[in-house]
Amino acid sequence: GGIITQTPKFLIGQEGQKLTLKCQQNFNHDTMYWYRQDSGKGLRLIYYSITENDLQKGDLSEGYDASREKKSSFSLTVTSAQKNEMAVFLCASSGTGRAETLYFGSGTRLTVL
Amino acid sequence: GDSVTQTEGLVTLTKGLPVMLNCTYQTTYSPFLFWYVQHLNEAPKLLLKSSTDNKRTEHQGFYATLHKSSSSFHLQKSSVQLSDSALYFCALNSGTYQRFGTGTKLQVVP
Repeated sequence: GGIITQTPKFLIGQEGQKLTLKCQQNFNHDTMYWYRQDSGKGLRLIYYSITENDLQKGDLSEGYDASREKKSSFSLTVTSAQKNEMAVFLCASSGTGRAETLYFGSGTRLTVL
Repeated sequence: GDSVTQTEGLVTLTKGLPVMLNCTYQTTYSPFLFWYVQHLNEAPKLLLKSSTDNKRTEHQGFYATLHKSSSSFHLQKSSVQLSDSALYFCALNSGTYQRFGTGTKLQVVP
């Protein structure tokens, strides 16, 4: 088994601030993902990465940057936090292939004041 | 483009009753469907998955059958328990990444 660790668990920022979320996995998975979870909107993909130094945009990449410098880690940057924004950001990893299960971290809950 | 539709936002049921949570999808490619469950303050985790047409897949008392003719993968259980209260997501992978529905919150009451 393995685990996905997301830091921080809670993140409070100010409008316009640049904020970074981090994710580590010890599954030795090639592919990692960042999803955003909003109530009533499900999980929407922001970025994913199929290998170290690879980045692929998802449906919601506007306003975000990502970085995959090591196989085990994947970070997400909110480039300019929006006032009153509240969401949970979920990191996941998987093996390669369509049948592969996603393994999720417990999330980072973002609040922008 | 690809999409997943879950029509019920909230389903409230009395313990012991059967449940069906709807999931339909659209894709022009060969689909692989998943159900994930997320309990309160926990990470989503896989419940079951399938790419085989008309074959029932089961796990932990839940079951689903992929029907490609109707583009559906509904989740069912014959008798819900209080511990089944959670958020349920249907997801589709047709080649690149998993695309999720909006989720159905299942609330089981005594």
